[in-house]
Amino acid sequence: DTGVSQDPRHKITKRGQNVTFRCDPISEHNRLYWYRQTLGQGPEFLTYFQNEAQLEKSRLLSDRFSAERPKGSFSTLEIQRTEQGDSAMYLCASSLGRGQYGNTIYFGEGSWLTVV
Amino acid sequence: DAKTTQPPSMDCAEGRAANLPCNHSTISGNEYVYWYRQIHSQGPQYIIHGLKNNETNEMASLIITEDRKSSTLILPHATLRDTAVYYCIVRVVGTGGFKTIFGAGTRLFVKA
Repeated sequence: DTGVSQDPRHKITKRGQNVTFRCDPISEHNRLYWYRQTLGQGPEFLTYFQNEAQLEKSRLLSDRFSAERPKGSFSTLEIQRTEQGDSAMYLCASSLGRGQYGNTIYFGEGSWLTVV
Repeated sequence: DAKTTQPPSMDCAEGRAANLPCNHSTISGNEYVYWYRQIHSQGPQYIIHGLKNNETNEMASLIITEDRKSSTLILPHATLRDTAVYYCIVRVVGTGGFKTIFGAGTRLFVKA
């Protein structure tokens, strides 16, 4: 499978715990994105990397959220001190960043988080 | 990125063409029109994109009006598996930062 891979697919955690999601983009894609989606809503942009540089962060990304892409390949999204409002699907996407189809972004299957 | 407007829901009979409209009246000259769909509990799936010419691929056709203020996604022979939420997005082309703004999309129900 050469698509965007996310792990874990499902996570149930108690309020106050920390959780970390991992994303492996499509090989050679230099751009990586994180989105959050709640039931009945479209995906909301959280942050964006070009290679290892985090170039943009949404105001949705509070201080409890941190994303990294240390070597410009896989990325992690950590949520500290989870709250019930963090329950959502966290989507990762990647794009090539150049060429005619460079702006086409491809999504993973998402990581569902339930905070109880 | 410009904003888009789509009807909240549509029905289509199986085997018929599904025509999903999208309004993007504030689109800029360097913005492409992209369509994605999302089947329940899965990540969004890329369908097609275009700038000003009509486009066709194995999944769908995209018709963009001459003034580029609206477009229509056409699924030529809808099947039950095409039941999904369809998102129309306009995106800036080029380097630099990017954020796709997804609206609520159109929920397409394909009925037998």
